[in-house]
Amino acid sequence: IAGITQAPTSQILAAGRRMTLRCTQDMRHNAMYWYRQDLGLGLRLIHYSNTAGTTGKGEVPDGYSVSRANTDDFPLTLASAVPSQTSVYFCASSGGDYYNEQFFGPGTRLTVL
Amino acid sequence: GQQVMQIPQYQHVQEGEDFTTYCNSSTTLSNIQWYKQRPGGHPVFLIQLVKSGEVKKQKRLTFQFGEAKKNSSLHITATQTTDVGTYFCAGTSLTDNDMRFGAGTRLTVKP
Repeated sequence: IAGITQAPTSQILAAGRRMTLRCTQDMRHNAMYWYRQDLGLGLRLIHYSNTAGTTGKGEVPDGYSVSRANTDDFPLTLASAVPSQTSVYFCASSGGDYYNEQFFGPGTRLTVL
Repeated sequence: GQQVMQIPQYQHVQEGEDFTTYCNSSTTLSNIQWYKQRPGGHPVFLIQLVKSGEVKKQKRLTFQFGEAKKNSSLHITATQTTDVGTYFCAGTSLTDNDMRFGAGTRLTVKP
């Protein structure tokens, strides 16, 4: 693994189904984030984690949950998917150095029908 | 809460023309970051500005941070087809340390 990976790449899901998007980083970054990207709305933060064992709510957390059992993994779960959750989901991490830049994964394109 | 507004939403230019995107925050920022996302790709960090009035250059790209630390701009001189993509600003609020992305400016370049 080099950097940050996400799985699956894309998924079509029936409304009401449960879905977990996976995110793994090998950079030993403390902070991790989940964003959704919708046309015209940019990137909106769903949940974040400043360090393993802690999580926080972002701008649009409703309908989503996260866990951070260890440094590398930060899964995002949709307990009961709805069509408005159709979006592209990006996971990101940052190492807390001077620039605190965020490194993004390749994204997961999710369609809820 | 903090809002970050970015204009224009779209910009189409002829290759060789200049391009500018503007970012405005409703609150004072501790820093602002800029990212580029190529079509079908993921956002990639370009730069961070921290100081009031700061100007940084990366080849044909010039980044500015306003004196009041509430606005920023990215200017590309003599665009090339490789500049195609969406440019996002992301401002971190001085008061609550939240980082918010602008909606992005999508740049297309006609060869």
